Amino acid sequence: IAGITQAPTSQILAAGRRMTLRCTQDMRHNAMYWYRQDLGLGLRLIHYSNTAGTTGKGEVPDGYSVSRANTDDFPLTLASAVPSQTSVYFCASSDRGLTGELFFGEGSRLTVL
Amino acid sequence: GENVEQHPSTLSVQEGDSAVIKCTYSDSASNYFPWYKQELGKGPQLIIDIRSNVGEKKDQRIAVTLNKTAKHFSLHITETQPEDSAVYFCAASRAGAGSYQLTFGKGTKLSVIP
Repeated sequence: IAGITQAPTSQILAAGRRMTLRCTQDMRHNAMYWYRQDLGLGLRLIHYSNTAGTTGKGEVPDGYSVSRANTDDFPLTLASAVPSQTSVYFCASSDRGLTGELFFGEGSRLTVL
Repeated sequence: GENVEQHPSTLSVQEGDSAVIKCTYSDSASNYFPWYKQELGKGPQLIIDIRSNVGEKKDQRIAVTLNKTAKHFSLHITETQPEDSAVYFCAASRAGAGSYQLTFGKGTKLSVIP
């Protein structure tokens, strides 16, 4: 069982470049989320999707966009990366009400220079 | 929005001793309080959760207590072992809104000294 698969695992990116972080789940969960993790700041919600075709903004959405064309995929796009977006990004999914448990991927470490 | 404060940020205990991590939250409408454990290089993993209609929940060496009046909840780990060393996050949300948009605390790095 793969659960949540994120790609790439690590990436160095020049400022101003466009970047898409990929996230795929095989659990048929309705809800998906993107969090960023920064030292001393914990995990902060960027965007979420309650079901395919819908998305919502979290705590720190500026500079990021998401799409949810189907149940399994939830890519996160940085249209024009800036150094403050250097972080570890975690994708997660949940079964939307049955248990509440979030299942996280292994993370994507992004460095913007 | 919700604000979750977590203390301490670091905690060192001797193997076999107990560890306690405390969190407070601001939104009185929050009703779901999970705890996640994150090992180095991994994503967070749920270890225990509690809902607002329950004051305490135990799972082997791990227990969580909730005081809704004071808006705080705590994680208790007894008989700590080296494999308990990790970063622990508390979180809060209003469950039942269609998804679990968790607000996390900043984390506690627990070190269990053999």
